[in-house]
Amino acid sequence: DADVTQTPRNRITKTGKRIMLECSQTKGHDRMYWYRQDPGLGLRLIYYSFDVKDINKGEISDGYSVSRQAQAKFSLSLESAIPNQTALYFCATSVAGREFTGELFFGEGSRLTVL
Amino acid sequence: SQQGEEDPQALSIQEGENATMNCSYKTSINNLQWYRQNSGRGLVHLILIRSNEREKHSGRLRVTLDTSKKSSSLLITASRAADTASYFCATGLRGSYKLIFGSGTRLLVRP
Repeated sequence: DADVTQTPRNRITKTGKRIMLECSQTKGHDRMYWYRQDPGLGLRLIYYSFDVKDINKGEISDGYSVSRQAQAKFSLSLESAIPNQTALYFCATSVAGREFTGELFFGEGSRLTVL
Repeated sequence: SQQGEEDPQALSIQEGENATMNCSYKTSINNLQWYRQNSGRGLVHLILIRSNEREKHSGRLRVTLDTSKKSSSLLITASRAADTASYFCATGLRGSYKLIFGSGTRLLVRP
């Protein structure tokens, strides 16, 4: 079983719909992240969380919200999806340790298409 | 523009050859990391080099870091077809918990 699991893996939706992408991890890591990947732009950080009560905005948080339901669960919501949110979304985790920004462990991604 | 920029954007080599990818960045960092992504899959961490380190090895991978030039390179020696993937550098910004990714180098290793 994967250590970082994302659901759904693929989703097609329409403009204006509310979408939730879920992430769960069995690594026991405190830190969790949501990234977005667009062709030619690499990965951009949407939100990150260092524990259940700690949520922080990343580079591109507008139009997104997150919820850290438990240490192991971190969900990303698009309240009203728009076509330019079509992208590949990744959840990642890391351990709190010596590094400010340590090694990230990624899920397999959720491909979202907004029509 | 992004903090990390990889060069070249795409690289095609023959199996057995060495592959070199470069990354340049703009601001002070705590560390620099390299990741690999097979098509449509999640990223996999390859190596982390701290700002006070100059070179690091892991198997067939060699990473260098030159903080005076704000650049890093990833060398894959004796490449294999299975090394075909996209490679990303990611910079851990000094004083920040954010890890910022570049746009990647697409490597094709021809059998």
